Amino acid sequence: NAGVTQTPKFQVLKTGQSMTLQCAQDMNHEYMSWYRQDPGMGLRLIHYSVGAGITDQGEVPNGYNVSRSTTEDFPLRLLSAAPSQTSVYFCASSYNYLSLGNQPQHFGDGTRLSIL
Amino acid sequence: AQKITQTQPGMFVQEKEAVTLDCTYDTSDQSYGLFWYKQPSSGEMIFLIYQGSYDEQNATEGRYSLNFQKARKSANLVISASQLGDSAMYFCAMSPRGGPNTGNQFYFGTGTSLTVIP
Repeated sequence: NAGVTQTPKFQVLKTGQSMTLQCAQDMNHEYMSWYRQDPGMGLRLIHYSVGAGITDQGEVPNGYNVSRSTTEDFPLRLLSAAPSQTSVYFCASSYNYLSLGNQPQHFGDGTRLSIL
Repeated sequence: AQKITQTQPGMFVQEKEAVTLDCTYDTSDQSYGLFWYKQPSSGEMIFLIYQGSYDEQNATEGRYSLNFQKARKSANLVISASQLGDSAMYFCAMSPRGGPNTGNQFYFGTGTSLTVIP
C-alpha cells in the first residue's frame, strides 16, 4: 500500500531552470493538492484538483503550473525556478468532501528543493 | 476568510506529563472539520485526530484528545503521558464544508514545536 508517492526527495536547481515534481496516489482519491512549507509559515496551498481534468489555484500559485490528466497523478511544474521557491513541497490527497464529508489528507514524504 | 492561529511556537513538557497545544480558528462556516498533524524531524506529516464541528463529544485517539470549544472557536490538542517520541512539530488544520469546486481544502496553522524532556 504505497499511499502518496513523491519524487524526487531532494533536488538542487539553478535559477531559471524548470522542473517537474511528481506525485502519485493509489487510493483512488478525487482531491489532490500541493503545498509548500517554509519556516514559521506552516503549509500554504499552491494548487489543487477536485478530479481529473480540473485544477484551481490556491494561496500561492505564482510560478507554478499543474495538470491532472488521471486520477492518480498530479505533477507540479516550476516554470522558471527562483531562489524564493526554495522550500519543502508536499503533495496530499483525500476523498472529496462531497463523497464522505471532512476527511484527513494523506501526505507524501515531501520534496526538499533548493534553488541557487 | 479562513484563519488558523497557533500561538505557541515552542513548548516543553516533562516525560509522562500531559501537555496542551493551543489552536484557534476563524471561519464563518457552520460546518467544518478540525485536524491535528504531527511532523517529526524526519519530515513526514502524520494525521493524529479529527473533530467535526457538529460532533458533540470531544474526539479521542489513544493518548491524543481534542478539547473542542465551539463558541470560543478553539480546538486544542491534549497529549497525555508524553513520550520522548512525541517530540515533533504539531500542526492544526481546518477544512470548511467542501463543494464541487473546492473539494477538501485545508488551512494550516504555523505549528508548535514540542520537546519532551526526559
